[in-house]
Amino acid sequence: AQKVTQAQTEISVVEKEDVTLDCVYETRDTTYYLFWYKQPPSGELVFLIRRNSFDEQNEISGRYSWNFQKSTSSFNFTITASQVVDSAVYFCALIPSSGGYQKVTFGTGTKLQVIP
Amino acid sequence: KAGVTQTPRYLIKTRGQQVTLSCSPISGHRSVSWYQQTPGQGLQFLFEYFSETQRNKGNFPGRFSGRQFSNSRSEMNVSTLELGDSALYLCASSSWGDTQYFGPGTRLTVL
Repeated sequence: AQKVTQAQTEISVVEKEDVTLDCVYETRDTTYYLFWYKQPPSGELVFLIRRNSFDEQNEISGRYSWNFQKSTSSFNFTITASQVVDSAVYFCALIPSSGGYQKVTFGTGTKLQVIP
Repeated sequence: KAGVTQTPRYLIKTRGQQVTLSCSPISGHRSVSWYQQTPGQGLQFLFEYFSETQRNKGNFPGRFSGRQFSNSRSEMNVSTLELGDSALYLCASSSWGDTQYFGPGTRLTVL
């Protein structure tokens, strides 16, 4: 069985601070995909990134960066110089490469509040 | 490209009624999946349709059903509503095996 753990339930930071959201996963599959989604109060899940299990290269997109470490089964997400618009719930998810969406596992989410 | 659209955005129903939710995927996407999101259970997969066929199904009772039309639009139906069906229902579309893109959701309240 696979599992995605987002141990941080809620985080509050002051605007312009950096913040890291943790994601730790468990899976027996050798190939899989990891995702991060953002869910603002409006409800829509906004896709942020997809990472293949065989690609451990870190990625940076503007103020966002992701650190994938297969050795520790972690896929952490860092927001640099946070802004109020970053306030949302962030979900980490895992799908086996061969499984299909019925095998998707979402973490419980981390609620980020950025205080102006 | 227009994103995934879902209608209605909000619904209030009473126990025992049935409800139909609609989802229009991103143009060109043939896969549509439905998810239920509740505070207690989080995000749970309901089912996936591809080319008008249900391809995968989650662990939900038969009261939850869906279908997909030839234009890839999908509907989800819940019959004999229960209080526990109150949730945000999210639809996601994708190309084959690719990233899912989600709609804004339909918030269903069962009284």
